[in-house]
Amino acid sequence: DQQVKQNSPSLSVQEGRISILNCDYTNSMFDYFLWYKKYPAEGPTFLISISSIKDKNEDGRFTVFLNKSAKHLSLHIVPSQPGDSAVYFCAARNGNQFYFGTGTSLTVIP
Amino acid sequence: GAVVSQHPSRVICKSGTSVKIECRSLDFQATTMFWYRQFPKKSLMLMATSNEGSKATYEQGVEKDKFLINHASLTLSTLTVTSAHPEDSSFYICSARDGTGGGQPQHFGDGTRLSIL
Repeated sequence: DQQVKQNSPSLSVQEGRISILNCDYTNSMFDYFLWYKKYPAEGPTFLISISSIKDKNEDGRFTVFLNKSAKHLSLHIVPSQPGDSAVYFCAARNGNQFYFGTGTSLTVIP
Repeated sequence: GAVVSQHPSRVICKSGTSVKIECRSLDFQATTMFWYRQFPKKSLMLMATSNEGSKATYEQGVEKDKFLINHASLTLSTLTVTSAHPEDSSFYICSARDGTGGGQPQHFGDGTRLSIL
């Protein structure tokens, strides 16, 4: 049973535009949500996180939004850059356990 | 920043052999490390949680005798795939948490591509 879902396997965005990656979850017990970026043949790299008590967290070009009532979070990247092209995983934490989505492959077109 | 080193990055071996994968936290102590397996176009699937000084906690469906985990120190966990078969071929990734509270993220190794012939 997939508790964290990323329904878009891929996304293409023009350089300079906004990239919006979406993630849905089912477990209301999750207390932290995280986004990871992954290049081929490498492990995921932590990008940004948000506590369940907040609805927005911003770090430079990256902003994560959390809508608890909808059990939905999103990652906004603006402006998008070609170097942002990678697979993005959202993850949710319940206690000591993390649950990952299936990833969204972002391609930023120069 | 925190770094997790995973070794080897790639292994190709014959069916029936055992393969050991090491995961090291390089600049922090990790009482807990995690082992994941990733299938093509699939999410990271947690296999087990490795606890320093005690037995690992395995997820449902993961064979304990098949995937042996040893967390001998605060900076090292090992995963041994015993008597590997072609269906064990996959991308294995370890991670470790730096700290126990708040939104401390997991830091991942670069993964091990295991190919069983």
